[in-house]
Amino acid sequence: RKEVEQDPGPFNVPEGATVAFNCTYSNSASQSFFWYRQDCRKEPKLLMSVYSSGNEDGRFTAQLNRASQYISLLIRDSKLSDSATYLCVVNKASGTYKYIFGTGTRLKVLA
Amino acid sequence: GAGVSQSPSNKVTEKGKDVELRCDPISGHTALYWYRQSLGQGLEFLIYFQGNSAPDKSGLPSDRFSAERTGGSVSTLTIQRTQQEDSAVYLCASSHPGRAYEQYFGPGTRLTVT
Repeated sequence: RKEVEQDPGPFNVPEGATVAFNCTYSNSASQSFFWYRQDCRKEPKLLMSVYSSGNEDGRFTAQLNRASQYISLLIRDSKLSDSATYLCVVNKASGTYKYIFGTGTRLKVLA
Repeated sequence: GAGVSQSPSNKVTEKGKDVELRCDPISGHTALYWYRQSLGQGLEFLIYFQGNSAPDKSGLPSDRFSAERTGGSVSTLTIQRTQQEDSAVYLCASSHPGRAYEQYFGPGTRLTVT
């Protein structure tokens, strides 16, 4: 089993739609979780951290479910500019600098 | 301010040749990572430098791969006797002390081994 698993997609959604991605992780010792965004042929960029209590940043909401070992990303009112690949990132163990990147979920927002 | 820079942006080399990839991290970032991203794959951790500590080389796939970081700043990833399976985008990232999770990536070097 991969340490971090994501549905590769693509998720094709119309503008204005709400879309959600999940990511599962295998190591129960992981403590830090993030979503990165990667545009086609570009470098990844941090989108948001995922806190135990969940967190929201504008149209984006990230949540963590420790019991089931998954994190989620919800995007409301999708924009064309949201089209990208969303990478789930998990640290290998508590306090470690080593981060495991998922293969990403591709989102395409259609006009 | 200036971001992470990498050079060259593209490199085509013949199988068996050696290549050097360069990374200039953001000034003040003590942590530096090298990753490899193959088509349709996630980022594969290669090596990590933190300040003056010994680097974590646990992700290097073979002894053909090595990396240095001089003066706590610029880093060079060297691949000796390149193979076709080395073809990938090599990404460098740096992070600020205490915020290791917020990695700033360079644009990458696309390596093609023919």
